[in-house]
Amino acid sequence: GENVEQHPSTLSVQEGDSAVIKCTYSDSASNYFPWYKQELGKRPQLIIDIRSNVGEKKDQRIAVTLNKTAKHFSLHITETQPEDSAVYFCAANMEYGNKLVFGAGTILRVKS
Amino acid sequence: DGGITQSPKYLFRKEGQNVTLSCEQNLNHDAMYWYRQDPGQGLRLIYYSQIVNDFQKGDIAEGYSVSREKKESFPLTVTSAQKNPTAFYLCASTWASNTGELFFGEGSRLTVL
Repeated sequence: GENVEQHPSTLSVQEGDSAVIKCTYSDSASNYFPWYKQELGKRPQLIIDIRSNVGEKKDQRIAVTLNKTAKHFSLHITETQPEDSAVYFCAANMEYGNKLVFGAGTILRVKS
Repeated sequence: DGGITQSPKYLFRKEGQNVTLSCEQNLNHDAMYWYRQDPGQGLRLIYYSQIVNDFQKGDIAEGYSVSREKKESFPLTVTSAQKNPTAFYLCASTWASNTGELFFGEGSRLTVL
């Protein structure tokens, strides 16, 4: 079926280290892959997205890579800070782009 | 403050009662979505609507119903047929083509006693 798998489910890093979260998707027609950050008690917010016509996108300390052949994409956060602590969700569009399917989420803890 | 508004924020109901969660947006978005969030399971799609008077079932539609009579509004009813309704419910909206940012409401936490 249509699904997005996300790993790891929890990730603890020391402040200043890098964090990597990986996702795989099932629908080969998917062409849009966003990442959302949800802080405790708040709504999810888009932090970065990538479309299938590019392999990598960067925005300051955040980057996303996409491998369409392998159907996986990853979020990279460099120089992590305590305010990066949150739940991160990957997603992929499916059914001809009509719906967004989310991964199960990764709890990121940045220890200072 | 423009955006997407959900109400109520917290709701307690007895088993067997239907409950309706409100979602209103003033972003002129065509598409609206309802997701359910449970710990460790991410965001699961309940229903979505791309246009007024039309909507489609998501992955976990059983026990839920929706309507889309106005572009701005997409209420969700949690019926007594939903076996495990206690959860955090998120409404979201975007432009018609779902290759853009989803804007989420603040969520409604439903507890069934």
